[in-house]
Amino acid sequence: AQSVTQLDSHVSVSEGTPVLLRCNYSSSYSPSLFWYVQHPNKGLQLLLKYTSAATLVKGINGFEAEFKKSETSFHLTKPSAHMSDAAEYFCVVSAKGPLNKFYFGSGTKLNVKP
Amino acid sequence: DAGITQSPRHKVTETGTPVTLRCHQTENHRYMYWYRQDPGHGLRLIHYSYGVKDTDKGEVSDGYSVSRSKTEDFLLTLESATSSQTSVYFCAISEANTGELFFGEGSRLTVL
Repeated sequence: AQSVTQLDSHVSVSEGTPVLLRCNYSSSYSPSLFWYVQHPNKGLQLLLKYTSAATLVKGINGFEAEFKKSETSFHLTKPSAHMSDAAEYFCVVSAKGPLNKFYFGSGTKLNVKP
Repeated sequence: DAGITQSPRHKVTETGTPVTLRCHQTENHRYMYWYRQDPGHGLRLIHYSYGVKDTDKGEVSDGYSVSRSKTEDFLLTLESATSSQTSVYFCAISEANTGELFFGEGSRLTVL
């Protein structure tokens, strides 16, 4: 079975400081993992994805995530937060197979203080 | 941006009325999904389709039905809307070889 746990529902950082959004997953197979971002009143946009290549994945807008199989984690980081990063972030796992299903975490709202 | 169009984008209706939301894609992707988004719940899968006329239930399918008569269109129907179905509905598409989901802009439904 597949599931995703985002460990923080809200994270608040100051502009220019590092961002860490935590995600743990459970998967019976070799998973594909994704981070999506949602700005207010918008659809979800892909930030980055892991599909069994390099364990350190770089995404858009300076974000990156590291796949750690031993810890079943896929935490999202950014060295320096920008005001425009304020949004909700979703960690997603998919199980390979004919049904191509995706499982979402409950989301982490990132607040960036000036 | 992926070619996904949801309609209507906003709808207000009354309890007990039928509602149909449409998702149209121009990407020829095999898989299509309907999710609902509610505060504190993230996105929850309502129904999905893995091909024309091939659909299956997600985790919150009660009160919803879907149809996919051609590759590009995936319809979500609320036969008799209830206030608990007030939500933002997102359509998404995927192709297995790329793996990622592409989302529409969402349809905000209010049931009074």
